[in-house]
Amino acid sequence: DQQVKQNSPSLSVQEGRISILNCDYTNSMFDYFLWYKKYPAEGPTFLISISSIKDKNEDGRFTVFLNKSAKHLSLHIVPSQPGDSAVYFCAASSPNTDKLIFGTGTRLQVFP
Amino acid sequence: DTGVSQNPRHKITKRGQNVTFRCDPISEHNRLYWYRQTLGQGPEFLTYFQNEAQLEKSRLLSDRFSAERPKGSFSTLEIQRTEQGDSAMYLCASSLNGYTFGSGTRLTVV
Repeated sequence: DQQVKQNSPSLSVQEGRISILNCDYTNSMFDYFLWYKKYPAEGPTFLISISSIKDKNEDGRFTVFLNKSAKHLSLHIVPSQPGDSAVYFCAASSPNTDKLIFGTGTRLQVFP
Repeated sequence: DTGVSQNPRHKITKRGQNVTFRCDPISEHNRLYWYRQTLGQGPEFLTYFQNEAQLEKSRLLSDRFSAERPKGSFSTLEIQRTEQGDSAMYLCASSLNGYTFGSGTRLTVV
């Protein structure tokens, strides 16, 4: 039962363009959503998050959008840079728990 | 502050052997988590501690798995009678107001 889904296993984007990574969830109890970035041989590192009371959160080149009615969130990276090449995981949590439910990840490749 | 430290980084073991991994969290973080990541999947929650108390365990944590955090500082995860299906990356994270993950221990059971 995959409660958090990332249906695109990979994405390739040219440097300078926008990268859009998508995530869908099924559990309407989720109230907090996060994006993590993972390089090979390292643990995931936190990128950006959004509470369910918001529909957008922005931090520099990274913006997360949340559509609660569609149970969908997306991460926009603009402009994309070669150093953004990594695996990106979407994660969600419910009230009163610290446990995170992760998606399967999307591998982003930014080429020159 | 050197971040979350996990040892060993890699472990190869024969099926049926016991293995133990260690996690040293960021010193002021009172919460500690163990996750497991298999190929092509995202991290899956195993268990979580607040100080020395183990507050939640996943059903993924079979009776062959045990985790401890005896003094509320470092934690160990032991797998008894390892099986090939236990091969995965075992990730530890600690938290005060947000997770910091370690680099993980990659277990290969042959």
